[in-house]
Amino acid sequence: DAGITQSPRHKVTETGTPVTLRCHQTENHRYMYWYRQDPGHGLRLIHYSYGVKDTDKGEVSDGYSVSRSKTEDFLLTLESATSSQTSVYFCAISPHGQRNGYTFGSGTRLTVV
Amino acid sequence: GENVGLHLPTLSVQEGDNSIINCAYSNSASDYFIWYKQESGKGPQFIIDIRSNMDKRQGQRVTVLLNKTVKHLSLQIAATQPGDSAVYFCAENIMEGGSNYKLTFGKGTLLTVNP
Repeated sequence: DAGITQSPRHKVTETGTPVTLRCHQTENHRYMYWYRQDPGHGLRLIHYSYGVKDTDKGEVSDGYSVSRSKTEDFLLTLESATSSQTSVYFCAISPHGQRNGYTFGSGTRLTVV
Repeated sequence: GENVGLHLPTLSVQEGDNSIINCAYSNSASDYFIWYKQESGKGPQFIIDIRSNMDKRQGQRVTVLLNKTVKHLSLQIAATQPGDSAVYFCAENIMEGGSNYKLTFGKGTLLTVNP
């Protein structure tokens, strides 16, 4: 989607290294979300943000941290990557929070070796 | 993602037929539901939504039906086309703690359209 960009699209990293994924939006939406998608599990919420410097945990937040210093950027950091964090990561944005549908980015495929 | 179709229920239809994809949701307090389509290598894409005060909502070639009695949601696609081949999943909006809403996604159904 033109209004939301994820980078990088693909990344391979080694176990124990820090990794940061970036989500950038041009829609000026208040709410931003990070999900991971794994076979057999569907989309699971990692962290979300309801404004600059306002973030909260989702259902699978262990091993992840986030930061939102500007409305347009939401960063997801794996402090010390593990093989269990190999996944496809999706960022989503919403103007009104979880009562409305989200717009998703194209995803980042992360492989931890 | 590329492997999102693994381990999923599948539905195979002929081009031009109608498709019905079903979803059972978990919480009777859910008040908002969404269907998403995800093509291989892409992010989920909004298709249609419905609020709990409705039983049916129609879009372009798609209809969503909501049966709150049995907590069941369905997506009907008319005159299915090869471009409809994708994973489809539903999401339900659940209120937690009085004011916090959480969108929970189902695992999805893989739709394959045969020409």
